[in-house]
Amino acid sequence: DTGVSQNPRHKITKRGQNVTFRCDPISEHNRLYWYRQTLGQGPEFLTYFQNEAQLEKSRLLSDRFSAERPKGSFSTLEIQRTEQGDSAMYLCASRPSGGSTDTQYFGPGTRLTVL
Amino acid sequence: AQSVTQLDSQVPVFEEAPVELRCNYSSSVSVYLFWYVQYPNQGLQLLLKYLSGSTLVKGINGFEAEFNKSQTSFHLRKPSVHISDTAEYFCAVSDFSSASKIIFGSGTRLSIRP
Repeated sequence: DTGVSQNPRHKITKRGQNVTFRCDPISEHNRLYWYRQTLGQGPEFLTYFQNEAQLEKSRLLSDRFSAERPKGSFSTLEIQRTEQGDSAMYLCASRPSGGSTDTQYFGPGTRLTVL
Repeated sequence: AQSVTQLDSQVPVFEEAPVELRCNYSSSVSVYLFWYVQYPNQGLQLLLKYLSGSTLVKGINGFEAEFNKSQTSFHLRKPSVHISDTAEYFCAVSDFSSASKIIFGSGTRLSIRP
């Protein structure tokens, strides 16, 4: 069990460019979550998957954001036409889908800086 | 909907002193409660969680928290802190729904002075 991994760890981009982040959950965890954490704030929920199905999206997830989990394993989060306000830490978490009491395990995050 | 309020954005304490990080929550339904810790440049790590049963919950690294339903609080305590406890601490709630997304507070930065 290697834990949740995220790549890249850091991304610097210019405003208007597209970026894509990847999350590899703990194997056999069929629930996967994306959160965004801005400076000085706690993480905010963006979306979650059960297997390959995206079951909930926050209103924070604008049309420029899209997330996928094509085979129910790794997930990608894409931001199109980035804006400076997108600068944040993007966190991924996974957990088994058993009971609602199961713990979410977080990855180290991808820090995005939009210039 | 749920919300979490962490009353102190920063808490400075001397090494080996006791510390309490305060957390209040708001919810119209029953919730689970969590404390997570985030060390510099690292992801979130679960310290402890309250699901049901005893209102005093013990976690890792000598931390404990007490659930108080009447005051809707879940304060985190440690009797004697160490330099290595320097980190950001987040209180969080999750409802009983199948989604189980977590709602976090804004965090409390704990700084330990030698």
